Amino acid sequence: EPEVTQTPSHQVTQMGQEVILRCVPISNHLYFYWYRQILGQKVEFLVSFYNNEISEKSEIFDDQFSVERPDGSNFTLKIRSTKLEDSAMYFCASTLQGLLETQYFGPGTRLLVL
Amino acid sequence: GESVGLHLPTLSVQEGDNSIINCAYSNSASDYFIWYKQESGKGPQFIIDIRSNMDKRQGQRVTVLLNKTVKHLSLQIAATQPGDSAVYFCAESTTGTASKLTFGTGTRLQVTL
Repeated sequence: EPEVTQTPSHQVTQMGQEVILRCVPISNHLYFYWYRQILGQKVEFLVSFYNNEISEKSEIFDDQFSVERPDGSNFTLKIRSTKLEDSAMYFCASTLQGLLETQYFGPGTRLLVL
Repeated sequence: GESVGLHLPTLSVQEGDNSIINCAYSNSASDYFIWYKQESGKGPQFIIDIRSNMDKRQGQRVTVLLNKTVKHLSLQIAATQPGDSAVYFCAESTTGTASKLTFGTGTRLQVTL
């Protein structure tokens, strides 16, 4: 069964450093998402992406964040200058047609900012 | 993919019993609802979904009920098994929002033998 994959599974970084989290969505899917989950809190929407541009973003997704689909398979989330409060699990998700359709999630990347 | 939280509501059921997990949502414009299961070390896993033009949908051993009047969603698991132990999240989405999901807090289901 096709699945969303994410790398790395864990990332430890120093405050102020840049990190890139990588995702490979399900191959025929067209809509891509990033969510995060701070320990003990809800899963929160960050950004949705379709047709090589951002469809929607939350207030969390400020100028320190960016997303990119650099090739036909990868979907990346970059945090330019990490802060302590960026420590969380980051989940990538994808869906075939976007609207009112099941989103399939990857296993997540645990980011720890020291 | 831990969704472990110190303050997650917990439902404890015996193996073989039925489980009912509840969720209240706030956005009356939401028209698509999903239940996800999250096991330790994994991302949210789709269980079942329902659109707002329905009030009940059944899957394999699971049933979702939607009450739009009181903005309430429930997940029923029949004959709960140890493998059902996980954290369960409801999520909602609204047409015209690029299908972003808004997640609930989550409920931990513990299945005892």
